[in-house]
This record gives sequence, C-alpha cells and structure tokens, in this order.
Amino acid sequence: DTEVTQTPKHLVMGMTNKKSLKCEQHMGHRAMYWYKQKAKKPPELMFVYSYEKLSINESVPSRFSPECPNSSLLNLHLHALQPEDSALYLCASSQEPLSEGETQYFGPGTRLLVL
Amino acid sequence: AQSVTQLGSHVSVSEGALVLLRCNYSSSVPPYLFWYVQYPNQGLQLLLKYTTGATLVKGINGFEAEFKKSETSFHLTKPSAHMSDAAEYFCAVTLYDKVIFGPGTSLSVIP
Repeated sequence: DTEVTQTPKHLVMGMTNKKSLKCEQHMGHRAMYWYKQKAKKPPELMFVYSYEKLSINESVPSRFSPECPNSSLLNLHLHALQPEDSALYLCASSQEPLSEGETQYFGPGTRLLVL
Repeated sequence: AQSVTQLGSHVSVSEGALVLLRCNYSSSVPPYLFWYVQYPNQGLQLLLKYTTGATLVKGINGFEAEFKKSETSFHLTKPSAHMSDAAEYFCAVTLYDKVIFGPGTSLSVIP
C-alpha cells in the first residue's frame, strides 16, 4: 500500500476561522512533508518532519502550525489566513528523510480557499 | 545553488506522436533525479527515478528517461502519446535533504 490520504478534499474558510488539514500514511514512513502549490506552479516545501520531529521550516508564517502526533499522522493547523494562502496543500511521505534517492509519495491534496 | 530547468512550459503533441519533455539540472554533484506527473486536481505521482546504475530508466505508463551526466540532462520520452497523458509534468532533483522541483511542463495531446 503506497497511499497517502488527506482530508478534507476541499476547504473554504474565512480569515478569522481556525481549521486543520489532516494527512495519514500507513507505510511505516519516517519522514512527512507539507507542500503548498499554486496553480500552474511546482510545489513549495513548507515543513518537514523526520522521526516525528520538525526538521525543516521553510520560513512559513506562524498562521500555519504543523503537528505530528505520531509517526502515521501529520496535521496542519490554520488560523487567521489571508486570501493569498488559497492553494492546493499537498502532504507527502518517504521511507526515510531525503537522501540516497528516497522517493516521496504524495497525497491527493486539500484545495483551500480563503475568503 | 541547485536548480532545475524545464524547457517549454507548454508542449503540444498529436496522439500517437513522440513525447519529449526536457529537463536540465545544475549541480557539481550528480543528484538523484525524478519525474512526477500531476493530473488535474490530483497530487503528484512518481513516473520514474534515477539514483545510480543504468542511465536509461523505464517508468510507468510507457515513459522512460535517460540520464546524461555530460549534458546535465534527464529528458523524459514516450514513443506514442495517448490522450490520457495530458497532464503537468515536473522534473525534480534531490540533493541532501530537499527536493528541488522544476517549473513544470504542461503536456497537451491533440486528437
């Protein structure tokens, strides 16, 4: 099973709302990632968790707050977002942290619209 | 700094024609190279990857890519395009702990 699942598929939220995105994998992968993707652009890395610890934060605004409750689950908590944060949010995982040609497996994404 | 370029943001081919999507990387150290495909409203799916060994890599859906160190290239090809190949294609390299994606090439297939 090489599946990464993400919920919800779509999310519409106001700028004062608090919401969370969820990502799950049951492949025993030890690294998990959040990406943001704007239309017709490549994914941009936001956060990396290695062995359940935050290892990379790509200078993401604090209105995005990641959480890794266990090795299978990754959350992204959203608060006070701006309309420019509307995008497709992709989760990915890899067997080990990226090195030696590790493959990332991507989920289907959550399409977020901030009004 | 590591970078990936993909020549042609949009490529159109006729159904049954050869598909060629170009990817060049800049690195003094040979990186690990990947091609991903993204269908509309979906996540990224791995087509193929090069790590070490044979420079001609075969992937899913009839795609293959050849690693040419002298040209720092990793172009993606498919002998005969199908309508279902219409999608966005991303070349990516991994060096150390990060993936660097190219800007992407949108492939259209004309019936």
